[in-house]
Amino acid sequence: GENVEQHPSTLSVQEGDSAVIKCTYSDSASNYFPWYKQELGKGPQLIIDIRSNVGEKKDQRIAVTLNKTAKHFSLHITETQPEDSAVYFCAAQTQGGSEKLVFGKGTKLTVNP
Amino acid sequence: GAGVSQTPSNKVTEKGKYVELRCDPISGHTALYWYRQSLGQGPEFLIYFQGTGAADDSGLPNDRFFAVRPEGSVSTLKIQRTERGDSAVYLCASSLAGQNTEAFFGQGTRLTVV
Repeated sequence: GENVEQHPSTLSVQEGDSAVIKCTYSDSASNYFPWYKQELGKGPQLIIDIRSNVGEKKDQRIAVTLNKTAKHFSLHITETQPEDSAVYFCAAQTQGGSEKLVFGKGTKLTVNP
Repeated sequence: GAGVSQTPSNKVTEKGKYVELRCDPISGHTALYWYRQSLGQGPEFLIYFQGTGAADDSGLPNDRFFAVRPEGSVSTLKIQRTERGDSAVYLCASSLAGQNTEAFFGQGTRLTVV
């Protein structure tokens, strides 16, 4: 089945710097890749997603890139702010009837003022 | 409602007891998922409903776990003979159609088995 690896597990940056989180997946049939932000005591919140027919998607300070050949995708946050501090999860959606999401283990991002 | 609602938000139960966790998905969403999240881990898939039927229950850890969605909206996750290892946050998500569509999560139910 699908396996998603996420790196780094923790990331600390200064306010205003960029942050990059990387994920790899194993199932070449997966074609939908969402990113979630989870704050303490809350459920995961969808922040951006990408489908396999595009290589990059951007929404204000957040961008995601996808390399299907290498089976990896990345989240880029520019001009980080303290409120970006949270745990970020990547996921890949399996195909063939289930449509379940397989998640990485998460990256704890800390943005220092 | 505006989002996915889960009740209760917290549940403490004694080992061996039966618990039910409820999920109200976003209105009109046909796909509903249950996940379990342990501390410091990503959500792990339990079961997926498309309408009233369980399309994939391969993530349920054993036969103590069962879920229903009788009318295609509200779902209940049922855990029999709870064990301390069942302690986790149980998350519910819904999406409009399933494949390649955004899944929105509730705030979760924190289950503690003592």
